[in-house]
Amino acid sequence: AQSVTQPDIHITVSEGASLELRCNYSYGATPYLFWYVQSPGQGLQLLLKYFSGDTLVQGIKGFEAEFKRSQSSFNLRKPSVHWSDAAEYFCAVMTGNQFYFGTGTSLTVIP
Amino acid sequence: KAGVTQTPRYLIKTRGQQVTLSCSPISGHRSVSWYQQTPGQGLQFLFEYFSETQRNKGNFPGRFSGRQFSNSRSEMNVSTLELGDSALYLCASSWDWGDQPQHFGDGTRLSIL
Repeated sequence: AQSVTQPDIHITVSEGASLELRCNYSYGATPYLFWYVQSPGQGLQLLLKYFSGDTLVQGIKGFEAEFKRSQSSFNLRKPSVHWSDAAEYFCAVMTGNQFYFGTGTSLTVIP
Repeated sequence: KAGVTQTPRYLIKTRGQQVTLSCSPISGHRSVSWYQQTPGQGLQFLFEYFSETQRNKGNFPGRFSGRQFSNSRSEMNVSTLELGDSALYLCASSWDWGDQPQHFGDGTRLSIL
């Protein structure tokens, strides 16, 4: 069965520091991969997606993610975190028109 | 451009009752998908509708059902409510069937007493 694992339940970073959120998937082939962000009072928002091609994808709000087939990973990164980035982040995969979310990583940003 | 609109925002029901939630997609989007979000299970896919037909279904009991109207608005119904149905129900819309959910509504918070 397909699965998406986000090993870090909660991460705290200082404003201006770099960020990496981990995501691993379990699937026989390369699925479509996504990152979403859920901010308090706002709905889920698509940050970026990977279908094929260049393994480094750029998203909105300065986020990027790198697909590594050998590690079955799709980690989200940002070079310099802003206080407004504090939110819940979800990795997701789509296989055969089924959509699966990871359990999420809660990001706290300290001044 | 109006976003995905879900109504109501909050609902309180008791066990055994039934509930209907509504979702209006972004204009032009024809696919609507529904998700249940709970602290224990996270975000789980319920079903997807396109052109008034259910195209995909997640692993939920038959008490969870839905439908889509000709204007792409969708409703989700849960019958014989159980305490475990307490959750945030999110809907998302996208242009086409099989697209990843692109725009989410703010959700309906359902509490079962």
